[in-house]
Amino acid sequence: RKEVEQDPGPFNVPEGATVAFNCTYSNSASQSFFWYRQDCRKEPKLLMSVYSSGNEDGRFTAQLNRASQYISLLIRDSKLSDSATYLCVVNRNNNDMRFGAGTRLTVKP
Amino acid sequence: DADVTQTPRNRITKTGKRIMLECSQTKGHDRMYWYRQDPGLGLQLIYYSFDVKDINKGEISDGYSVSRQAQAKFSLSLESAIPNQTALYFCATSDNRELFFGEGSRLTVL
Repeated sequence: RKEVEQDPGPFNVPEGATVAFNCTYSNSASQSFFWYRQDCRKEPKLLMSVYSSGNEDGRFTAQLNRASQYISLLIRDSKLSDSATYLCVVNRNNNDMRFGAGTRLTVKP
Repeated sequence: DADVTQTPRNRITKTGKRIMLECSQTKGHDRMYWYRQDPGLGLQLIYYSFDVKDINKGEISDGYSVSRQAQAKFSLSLESAIPNQTALYFCATSDNRELFFGEGSRLTVL
């Protein structure tokens, strides 16, 4: 079992839809958490960090539940440009960063 | 110019050959990483380094070795390449918060 698990999708949604991705991690000592975005044939790039109190960046909201070892990403009012693979990333206590396999999102007109 | 540069970007080689993938960075970060990406498996950590004298194994280090020649350079070697090492390889640096990736090196082992 992978240390960081994500639903691979694909999620196919219409423009304007709200979509949520989940991620679970198994290492309870993990210290920090992130969502990265990867476009097709490109390198991953940081989308947002995930804080214990939850945080929002425009149309994107991230949540962390340490007790359940669960992270989520909510995208509101989806745009065509949101089409990408979303990677859940967990930082263990020594800056050893572990990735989920990613969830693919396609937003359609 | 990219902050994290990987060479070569694409390489096709044969089983048993020695291959080196190179990574250099201009961000001044101490932390550097090598990952491989396979379809359906996401990115898996091969090796990481927190400074020139520090090398750490990741999830899948068998069959690979690394060298941290300077703060700015971190190379990955496959001493005897095998077909299941065919993958997309990413180098990354970190400022202790965010990972910054190179554009990737696509390796095919025949």
